[in-house]
Amino acid sequence: DAGVIQSPRHEVTEMGQEVTLRCKPISGHNSLFWYRQTMMRGLELLIYFNNNVPIDDSGMPEDRFSAKMPNASFSTLKIQPSEPRDSAVYFCASLTDTAQETQYFGPGTRLLVL
Amino acid sequence: GENVEQHPSTLSVQEGDSAVIKCTYSDSASNYFPWYKQELGKRPQLIIDIRSNVGEKKDQRIAVTLNKTAKHFSLHITETQPEDSAVYFCAALFNTNAGKSTFGDGTTLTVKP
Repeated sequence: DAGVIQSPRHEVTEMGQEVTLRCKPISGHNSLFWYRQTMMRGLELLIYFNNNVPIDDSGMPEDRFSAKMPNASFSTLKIQPSEPRDSAVYFCASLTDTAQETQYFGPGTRLLVL
Repeated sequence: GENVEQHPSTLSVQEGDSAVIKCTYSDSASNYFPWYKQELGKRPQLIIDIRSNVGEKKDQRIAVTLNKTAKHFSLHITETQPEDSAVYFCAALFNTNAGKSTFGDGTTLTVKP
């Protein structure tokens, strides 16, 4: 298995632009998590899905952030409009909640908003 | 909800010494406790985990202990090596919560050669 796949790996954009981050979970995993990591705030859970349904989005910082999971093999995290304070590494992770509870992280997307 | 506190935030040891990182959790229903290692510029990766029906687990130079009564668990690394330098995260979860983990704030371990 290729593991959790994220794209793009790096993104540089200007303030005000829309940013879309993509994630493909490990096949067969039914829970998917989006995290943001910064030096100041550490690892923050933004939102997570179970069986493609959003379960808890209380970590989403504001309305500029939205996430979708249209099917079991794809999820997006969108920021519109982006701001410099959104600069961070965004990780996607997945697991199968009926067996092991280990989360497998993707390689992350390093976002820089100028 | 669950709250996980992790100490210390930074830890520096000499190569060959032992390192201990401690975490406490608040929700007595939590029953799975993984530890992740994150090297600079890389993703967090699981290094060891423990379930609530076990008090200790060991894998070569790393071990984890769990005290359910006191609601704390610890990571022990023996004979540390420079490649152990990384950020370590503990986490706690209740396995019927769709796998949602609550992470500690991380410990930056530096092993000096």
